[in-house]
Amino acid sequence: KQEVTQIPAALSVPEGENLVLNCSFTDSAIYNLQWFRQDPGKGLTSLLLIQSSQREQTSGRLNASLDKSSGRSTLYIAASQPGDSATYLCAVLNAGNMLTFGGGTRLMVKP
Amino acid sequence: DVKVTQSSRYLVKRTGEKVFLECVQDMDHENMFWYRQDPGLGLRLIYFSYDVKMKEKGDIPEGYSVSREKKERFSLILESASTNQTSMYLCASSGAGTTDTQYFGPGTRLTVL
Repeated sequence: KQEVTQIPAALSVPEGENLVLNCSFTDSAIYNLQWFRQDPGKGLTSLLLIQSSQREQTSGRLNASLDKSSGRSTLYIAASQPGDSATYLCAVLNAGNMLTFGGGTRLMVKP
Repeated sequence: DVKVTQSSRYLVKRTGEKVFLECVQDMDHENMFWYRQDPGLGLRLIYFSYDVKMKEKGDIPEGYSVSREKKERFSLILESASTNQTSMYLCASSGAGTTDTQYFGPGTRLTVL
């Protein structure tokens, strides 16, 4: 059974720092990996989707990489801002069209 | 823009009541999903549907059923609500391909007393 782990569980940084969130998964037979953002009490918003054949995707200040063979992904956030404060979730798509989610990293960016 | 709406943001029910949570999407998506989210346990899939009248069990289907009579609407039913079903419920929809991301609704926070 696929398991997804995110480290760290929580992170607090000063505004302007570059930061990296980590995600690891146990079964490399994935179709894609996705990063989501969740604000408190709200639903999830898709940030980036990396196909299993791709190595990375970029959107603005966000860059996600995927190393399928080692079961790892990172989400890099450049020049962090207070508005980036949220929980970041990674999820992998397996056969059967089901997403398996990690536990999330709660990010606080302090002004 | 894709829109996924859920019938209620907050709901309070009594133990033993029958509860309906409704989800509607406006993008003609084939797939629809129901998750619950609990502190320390993360997001867990309850059921999903890949077509009208079709459903598949997720990780935690016990105590729940679903209905998809129309493509745009996916309902989650708690036949007899219990206190351990107090949770945040999230609906999502997506296209059928592996390049399609899931779009989430705002969530329903259900409290069962």
